[in-house]
Amino acid sequence: GQQVMQIPQYQHVQEGEDFTTYCNSSTTLSNIQWYKQRPGGHPVFLIQLVKSGEVKKQKRLTFQFGEAKKNSSLHITATQTTDVGTYFCAPDYYSGGSNYKLTFGKGTLLTVNP
Amino acid sequence: DSGVTQTPKHLITATGQRVTLRCSPRSGDLSVYWYQQSLDQGLQFLIQYYNGEERAKGNILERFSAQQFPDLHSELNLSSLELGDSALYFCASSVAPGREYIQYFGAGTRLSVL
Repeated sequence: GQQVMQIPQYQHVQEGEDFTTYCNSSTTLSNIQWYKQRPGGHPVFLIQLVKSGEVKKQKRLTFQFGEAKKNSSLHITATQTTDVGTYFCAPDYYSGGSNYKLTFGKGTLLTVNP
Repeated sequence: DSGVTQTPKHLITATGQRVTLRCSPRSGDLSVYWYQQSLDQGLQFLIQYYNGEERAKGNILERFSAQQFPDLHSELNLSSLELGDSALYFCASSVAPGREYIQYFGAGTRLSVL
């Protein structure tokens, strides 16, 4: 089935450093969502990207959707310990009619050293 | 608190047994999704129900089944359990088709098969 590759699988940074995770698909995506899961917690919706080349910001988080709508990235500026967790991309794949299927990537686990 | 309730929080059982996981969606949400999360497989979509009817199927084993009741709560039944079924099982809900990208996750049920 359709899959996305999310890289890196793990990232350890010092507090204050930047962090980026990438989500790559071999097929064109309808849209893409990002979720965050804190350790011991459940996934929480962060944002949706729909348009080609779209860039959205949430405080220190910047989300981008590629021009070809095949890749996306999440960049965190000046990481803080509260950013610790696993970041999942979740693309929508169009499967006909009004049906879209949300598929989660394997996630990038971010750890931050204070 | 996402508004999605899952019970029980933890479940310990033996191989060959059958268990039922329960989920109550957010008030007003008609769609319910079930996911399995294990360390090596990430977040795997199992099945989706919308207003009582099955809408989409993912990587759900034949030993697993689910249903959504008229009051919109859902149950995931796992039978002939194997060691490899040990995982965190999440339920999520969303308002309606077309808004699947915003899913609200419950706290999960941790299943341990011994």
